[in-house]
Order: sequence, then structure tokens, then C-alpha cells
Amino acid sequence: AQKVTQAQTEISVVEKEDVTLDCVYETRDTTYYLFWYKQPPSGELVFLIRRNSFDEQNEISGRYSWNFQKSTSSFNFTITASQVVDSAVYFCALIRGGGSNYKLTFGKGTLLTVNP
Amino acid sequence: ETGVTQSPTHLIKTRGQQVTLRCSSQSGHNTVSWYQQALGQGPQFIFQYYREEENGRGNFPPRFSGLQFPNYSSELNVNALELDDSALYLCASSDTGTNSYEQYFGPGTRLTVT
Repeated sequence: AQKVTQAQTEISVVEKEDVTLDCVYETRDTTYYLFWYKQPPSGELVFLIRRNSFDEQNEISGRYSWNFQKSTSSFNFTITASQVVDSAVYFCALIRGGGSNYKLTFGKGTLLTVNP
Repeated sequence: ETGVTQSPTHLIKTRGQQVTLRCSSQSGHNTVSWYQQALGQGPQFIFQYYREEENGRGNFPPRFSGLQFPNYSSELNVNALELDDSALYLCASSDTGTNSYEQYFGPGTRLTVT
């Protein structure tokens, strides 16, 4: 069975602070993919990043960066110099690789509030 | 490129009624997945359709059913609605065959059962 845990239910920061959202996953598969999605108040899930289990290289995209560590089964997300527009619920998700059933398993999400 | 669209945006139904939700997949995508998101929770996988057939199902009862049409659009049907069915229903499209595993979500349908 697959499981994704986002221990931080809510985080509140002041604009320009850096913030890290934690994600821990469980899977018995050797091939899998990890995702982060952003859900603003409008409700639509916005794809941010995909990472496969064989690529532990960290990634940076503008103010966003991701740290994938297989040794600790973690895939953490850092926002540098946060902005009010970053306020949203962020979900970490996992999908098994191979086969034809692409079921995403989500964590419960972390509500990030960035105050001006 | 047209994104994923869903209709209706909001819906209010009474317990015991039936509801149909609709989803149009993103251009070029052949697979549609449906998720239920209760308030304060992460989305839960309901089922997936690929080439008009169910391709996998989550832990949902048979009163949740679906269809996929030749143009890859899809419907989610829920019979005998219960109060706990109140949730945001999200549709996601993807392209099985590219091995990208990326799913792109629509804006959702918010269903309220009274």
C-alpha cells in the first residue's frame, strides 16, 4: 500500500520569509513518481513538479525548490522569499510506475498562509 | 491547448437523488481520472477511464459509476446520494502511453447533498 504523510496541517509566515513544506511517503515499489500540487481557493489543483524514484537530484524553479531523499523517503518543498500569492493548500502525491493504472495517492495537504 | 473543463461548477442535491458530473479532457489526452475531495482532506481516487473502459477503481461503492466517450470526455454518476457524498469532485486528464504520469486537473464540481 502507498501512503503520503504531510505532518504540517497549517503554516503561517510573513511575506519574504522562506518556508519548507514536508512530505514523507511509503511505498514498496522501486519505480514511482512524486508530485507536488498547489490548490488555491478556487479549488483547481495546479501541477508544480514531478520527480521519479531514480532521480534524486534536487530541483530549483525560480523561488521554488524541491529536496528528494530516498534514504528518508522524503520529498520536501521550499518556497524562498514567500509572497502573498503563494497562499494555498499544497499537496504531495505519489504514483506507482509501470502498469496502466495511474492512481495518485495524496497527502492531506498543508495550508500555507503568507501574510503581508 | 484546451485545458480540463468540468460542469457544473456547483450542484445541490437531496439525499437519495442521482447526479451526473461531466468532464472534458485536455486536448491530446486519452485518460480521465476522477477524485473525491472532502473538506480539509486530500483527493481520493474514485476510478480511471482509458479507451472507454474502467482502468482501475478506488475504494468507492458501486453506486459510483462512470463513462468515457470516444472523444475522451467522461461522466461520473452517483446514485442514491448520501450526505457524505458532499465534496469537491475533481477530474484529471492524462496521456497514457507517454509515461509522463502527469495528471492535469479541472476546476472541480462542488456537490452539496442535503
